[in-house]
Amino acid sequence: GDSVTQMEGPVTLSEEAFLTINCTYTATGYPSLFWYVQYPGEGLQLLLKATKADDKGSNKGFEATYRKETTSFHLEKGSVQVSDSAVYFCALSGRGSTLGRLYFGRGTQLTVWP
Amino acid sequence: DGGITQSPKYLFRKEGQNVTLSCEQNLNHDAMYWYRQDPGQGLRLIYYSQIVNDFQKGDIAEGYSVSREKKESFPLTVTSAQKNPTAFYLCASTGALNQPQHFGDGTRLSIL
Repeated sequence: GDSVTQMEGPVTLSEEAFLTINCTYTATGYPSLFWYVQYPGEGLQLLLKATKADDKGSNKGFEATYRKETTSFHLEKGSVQVSDSAVYFCALSGRGSTLGRLYFGRGTQLTVWP
Repeated sequence: DGGITQSPKYLFRKEGQNVTLSCEQNLNHDAMYWYRQDPGQGLRLIYYSQIVNDFQKGDIAEGYSVSREKKESFPLTVTSAQKNPTAFYLCASTGALNQPQHFGDGTRLSIL
C-alpha cells in the first residue's frame, strides 16, 4: 500500500545552516506530494506541494522536487532560522480507491539554535 | 476568516466515560477527517467523511465513533472501549480529494 518514509530525527542545526530532510514514498500511480509543518501545540500547516514528476514546490525559502525516478521528495532550505524550529511531515495523497486519503511520514523534529 | 475550529483545546476523561471532540469548518469543504497523533508515530487516520451522512473507517477506528449530519460539523466520540485514548487529536478538511487538507489546532485528551 501507499506509504511515506522520512529520515529519523531530531535534527539540530545552527542558524544559517543548510537543511535537508529526506522523504521517500511508495505508491501506485502518481500521487501528489506535500510537506506540512507543525509548531508546538498547533495543527499542521501546508508548507509546499508538488502534483507531478519534476515539479518543484517552494515556500518561505523551503523547496522540494518531486523525483519519480527515485520516488523522493526531499525538503531543503539554504539558510535556516530559529523560527523554523518545528516538526516537519512529508505526505502523499492516495489515488484510485484511496483517493482523498493522505499518508504521512512519522515527522522530523527540527531545532535551530542561534 | 475561514478555517477549522476544534474544541475544547484540552479535555480530560475519567475511566469508563465517553467524550466528544468538536470540529467545525466554515470553508464549505465536503470532506472531513479525524487523525490521532502520538509522539514519534506521525498521524494516523481514525475516520473520514467525503459527504454529509456518510463516513468511512480509517486505520484505527476501534473505540471511536463519528457522525456527519451537517456539512460543517464532524464530531468525534472517544468511547470507553478505547483503552488508550491519551493523544493529540486533529481534525482536517479539504474541498477536493486530490488537494491539501486544512487542519484545526487540535484537542489534547488526557485520562484522569
